Amino acid sequence: GQQLNQSPQSMFIQEGEDVSMNCTSSSIFNTWLWYKQDPGEGPVLLIALYKAGELTSNGRLTAQFGITRKDSFLNISASIPSDVGIYFCAGVHRDSNYQLIWGAGTKLIIKP
Amino acid sequence: DGGITQSPKYLFRKEGQNVTLSCEQNLNHDAMYWYRQDPGQGLRLIYYSQIVNDFQKGDIAEGYSVSREKKESFPLTVTSAQKNPTAFYLCASSIQEGAYEQYFGPGTRLTVT
Repeated sequence: GQQLNQSPQSMFIQEGEDVSMNCTSSSIFNTWLWYKQDPGEGPVLLIALYKAGELTSNGRLTAQFGITRKDSFLNISASIPSDVGIYFCAGVHRDSNYQLIWGAGTKLIIKP
Repeated sequence: DGGITQSPKYLFRKEGQNVTLSCEQNLNHDAMYWYRQDPGQGLRLIYYSQIVNDFQKGDIAEGYSVSREKKESFPLTVTSAQKNPTAFYLCASSIQEGAYEQYFGPGTRLTVT
């Protein structure tokens, strides 16, 4: 089946640093979604992207729909302690029967 | 407040017992989904329902069953046939089929010993 490669797997950062993560596929996707999951909770939708090249912000978060339609990027500026968690990308491929295909997540950890 | 509720938050069962996980939504969404999450992995789709009295198998439906008798409710039964049932189970909903933005409940952690 279709797969999404999400990287990095984990990140150790200092508070105040900017963060970048990405999601790639060998196939073309029509939609990209970015979610954040806190420990023991359900994922929360951060940003949805529907057009190639689209750049959308939500506070300190900015996500982009790659121009090739095979990738997406999430940036977090000036990280704060509450940014800790796991960030998931999810996409909709034309052959996925409208169901989401999920990346394995990027775990964000802030160094004390 | 509109949202999705899952109960209980933690569930413990003995091997060989069936167990039913509850999922209720008051968002008036047509579509509902069940996912399984294991440590270090993405979400895997178990079952989904696009309308009342209709549901389809996802990628890992074996050992699970669902019903959709009401728009608001989509319970998941983990049967004794599920070989490795210990996991974090997440319920989600979306406005309708083809609406890609899914909204999640808080999850139920099932431990089977």
